[in-house]
Amino acid sequence: AQTVTQSQPEMSVQEAETVTLSCTYDTSENNYYLFWYKQPPSRQMILVIRQEAYKQQNATENRFSVNFQKAAKSFSLKISDSQLGDTAMYFCAFMSPNFGNEKLTFGTGTRLTIIP
Amino acid sequence: ETGVTQSPTHLIKTRGQQVTLRCSSQSGHNTVSWYQQALGQGPQFIFQYYREEENGRGNFPPRFSGLQFPNYSSELNVNALELDDSALYLCASSLGDDREDTQYFGPGTRLTVL
Repeated sequence: AQTVTQSQPEMSVQEAETVTLSCTYDTSENNYYLFWYKQPPSRQMILVIRQEAYKQQNATENRFSVNFQKAAKSFSLKISDSQLGDTAMYFCAFMSPNFGNEKLTFGTGTRLTIIP
Repeated sequence: ETGVTQSPTHLIKTRGQQVTLRCSSQSGHNTVSWYQQALGQGPQFIFQYYREEENGRGNFPPRFSGLQFPNYSSELNVNALELDDSALYLCASSLGDDREDTQYFGPGTRLTVL
């Protein structure tokens, strides 16, 4: 069974600074997908970024980028030029592409606070 | 906004009762997944429906059951409610025919069991 570990329960950073959230996972599969989701106080889970394991290039979405290290099973999220609206819980998640097993396995989350 | 809707927003039930939660998937999506998120934790997978058939189930007892309709909307039913069932219930929809699907979440239903 896959597991996802987020070792930073809480983080805070000044507005406009850069912050990196850590995530490690365990799997025996070679092909899979990794995600970062954001859950603001409104509680809706919002997709931030997605990475396919077969792609060597790290995914980027505007101010958000990942550092995907497949051999180390590490998948960190970097937020550049942080904004107040980035305040939220951030969840790292793993998904197998195998039919019948396409569930998301989530970590326990990191609570990120952006300080004005 | 993802286009995934859930109803009701909040619900209060007493132990032993039964509850039905509803989810409308995003247009064009034929797969719905349900998750339970206890306070302070990450979501846990309950089950997934693909084209009206159950397509995977997590470690939840049989009193958690589901249904998907021809329009791909879905229901989650929980019988014999227990205090530990108090949680945020999230549904997510995805395209389904592509194994690389990303799941898009609805706003959730907050269930409180007294």
